[in-house]
Amino acid sequence: DQQVKQNSPSLSVQEGRISILNCDYTNSMFDYFLWYKKYPAEGPTFLISISSIKDKNEDGRFTVFLNKSAKHLSLHIVPSQPGDSAVYFCAARGGAQKLVFGQGTRLTINP
Amino acid sequence: DAMVIQNPRYQVTQFGKPVTLSCSQTLNHNVMYWYQQKSSQAPKLLFHYYDKDFNNEADTPDNFQSRRPNTSFCFLDIRSPGLGDAAMYLCATSRDSQYNEQFFGPGTRLTVL
Repeated sequence: DQQVKQNSPSLSVQEGRISILNCDYTNSMFDYFLWYKKYPAEGPTFLISISSIKDKNEDGRFTVFLNKSAKHLSLHIVPSQPGDSAVYFCAARGGAQKLVFGQGTRLTINP
Repeated sequence: DAMVIQNPRYQVTQFGKPVTLSCSQTLNHNVMYWYQQKSSQAPKLLFHYYDKDFNNEADTPDNFQSRRPNTSFCFLDIRSPGLGDAAMYLCATSRDSQYNEQFFGPGTRLTVL
């Protein structure tokens, strides 16, 4: 039973355009959500987060949107750059000190 | 730079031969985690330590054990590795229970022959 799902295993976007990565969750008790970025041969690194009391959080080119009624969040990257090519993981706080991860979406930015 | 270090980066073991993976951190964080990640799957939490308190996930096999001798180090012991245990093992830390962000090491890729 996967509580956090990223239904698109891969996404290809033209450089300079918007990248939109999606994530769905099933547990309404999740109260905090994070996005991690992972390059090959490295561990995931924190990118941006959002509390369930908000519906949007912005940090430079990265914006996360949360739709609680739909149990859906998305990460927007504008404009997309070649260095954004990586695997992106969505995660949700599933209890004290614990995160539940999605299976990741591989983003490729084409020049 | 403060960081999370995992050794070795690649580990090959034989079926049934015990193996230990190592994680160290210079962040002085209270919480340390071990995750298992198989290809194209989500990282799966095996267990975590809050300081010296060990917290095992209900579905973590008994074959997996962990030790945290001090704040900086945490070990993952696989007593009798099976072919299904081949995976990437990720260590992570967080400052405290109130902090959501986890800091990850680069992982150890385990191969079981």
